[in-house]
Amino acid sequence: AQSVTQLDSQVPVFEEAPVELRCNYSSSVSVYLFWYVQYPNQGLQLLLKYLSGSTLVKGINGFEAEFNKSQTSFHLRKPSVHISDTAEYFCAVSPGDYGQNFVFGPGTRLSVLP
Amino acid sequence: DTEVTQTPKHLVMGMTNKKSLKCEQHMGHRAMYWYKQKAKKPPELMFVYSYEKLSINESVPSRFSPECPNSSLLNLHLHALQPEDSALYLCASSTPGTGVTEAFFGQGTRLTVV
Repeated sequence: AQSVTQLDSQVPVFEEAPVELRCNYSSSVSVYLFWYVQYPNQGLQLLLKYLSGSTLVKGINGFEAEFNKSQTSFHLRKPSVHISDTAEYFCAVSPGDYGQNFVFGPGTRLSVLP
Repeated sequence: DTEVTQTPKHLVMGMTNKKSLKCEQHMGHRAMYWYKQKAKKPPELMFVYSYEKLSINESVPSRFSPECPNSSLLNLHLHALQPEDSALYLCASSTPGTGVTEAFFGQGTRLTVV
């Protein structure tokens, strides 16, 4: 089974500052990793994903994430945030070649302050 | 077309009512999912259909009954729900096979049980 931990439930940051949202996972098999964003009263939108290959993954809206297998982490970063980045961010895993499940972390609320 | 369309967007139902949630996608995806999301919580997997067959049922109460009439449609039939079933219900789709490489989510149906 897979599990996902997001250590920070809330992250306040000032506009144009950098931000890092942390994600750690646990799995006995190789996994695929994802970051999704959810704006209020909306569905989930994929920001980026890691399936294989380069450990630095670039996504939409200027976000990027780095896969670190030894630390079982997949932290999300953005060098300069905007007010419009205020949302809930979910890290998620699927069990690679071993199934059709899709497990989410508890989420991190990013609040960008003016 | 990369959309997953859910109807209705909002639904209020009594505990003795029968209602259905609908989900439609035209991306050729053959895996479809129902998730339940409570406020300030991550989505929780309810059901997975792969090639129109139920492949995962996460021990969901029988008052929730999924149906996949064809490769583009997914329904969730609701009967005798409880107030604690009030939540955002999200539909998603992806390519099937080994591992979920990306899931597309609909905007959700906000369900209130009174």
